[in-house]
Amino acid sequence: SQELEQSPQSLIVQEGKNLTINCTSSKTLYGLYWYKQKYGEGLIFLMMLQKGGEEKSHEKITAKLDEKKQQSSLHITASQPSHAGIYLCGADRSGGSQGNLIFGKGTKLSVKP
Amino acid sequence: ETGVTQTPRHLVMGMTNKKSLKCEQHLGHNAMYWYKQSAKKPLELMFVYSLEERVENNSVPSRFSPECPNSSHLFLHLHTLQPEDSALYLCASSPRGVYNSPLHFGNGTRLTVT
Repeated sequence: SQELEQSPQSLIVQEGKNLTINCTSSKTLYGLYWYKQKYGEGLIFLMMLQKGGEEKSHEKITAKLDEKKQQSSLHITASQPSHAGIYLCGADRSGGSQGNLIFGKGTKLSVKP
Repeated sequence: ETGVTQTPRHLVMGMTNKKSLKCEQHLGHNAMYWYKQSAKKPLELMFVYSLEERVENNSVPSRFSPECPNSSHLFLHLHTLQPEDSALYLCASSPRGVYNSPLHFGNGTRLTVT
């Protein structure tokens, strides 16, 4: 079965610094989703990547999917306290139309003011 | 406001109790999901309903019993739970069959089994 590994498990950065979170899949990714979760709350959808080499940005967050479609990275530029939370990557198990996602364990981000 | 509402937000129950978790979505989606989030584990998919029919049951113990009376509502009935069932239970919805459409999550119910 497909697995997603995220690194690092946790990250503490000073406000204003850049950071990168990685998500590696054991199988080819049909769709890769990034979510953010505040502690004890639901997941907020950030971005979805589908094509090898694809890159998307929203405000100061950029996500990329590598050409082989087995790894994705999430990059935050000039981090702010509002970026703090748990970032999870999710992958569609069934080719894109089923909505059944598997998830990595998450990366906990803390931003020091 | 996420469009997916879960109640209650917190629940403490004994091992012999029976309780239910409720989820309601206002997004016009036709698929709903239950996920379990335990400490230091990935989110685990429990059940999937599409057009009110259960299409997936991920080897979940029978002490968890889902119900989907219509496309907007999803319940998870709980009985004789174990302490290891303590977790955050998340409901999600999506427009099933729409290619690569993201899941929309509720804020979850934090369940503690004593």
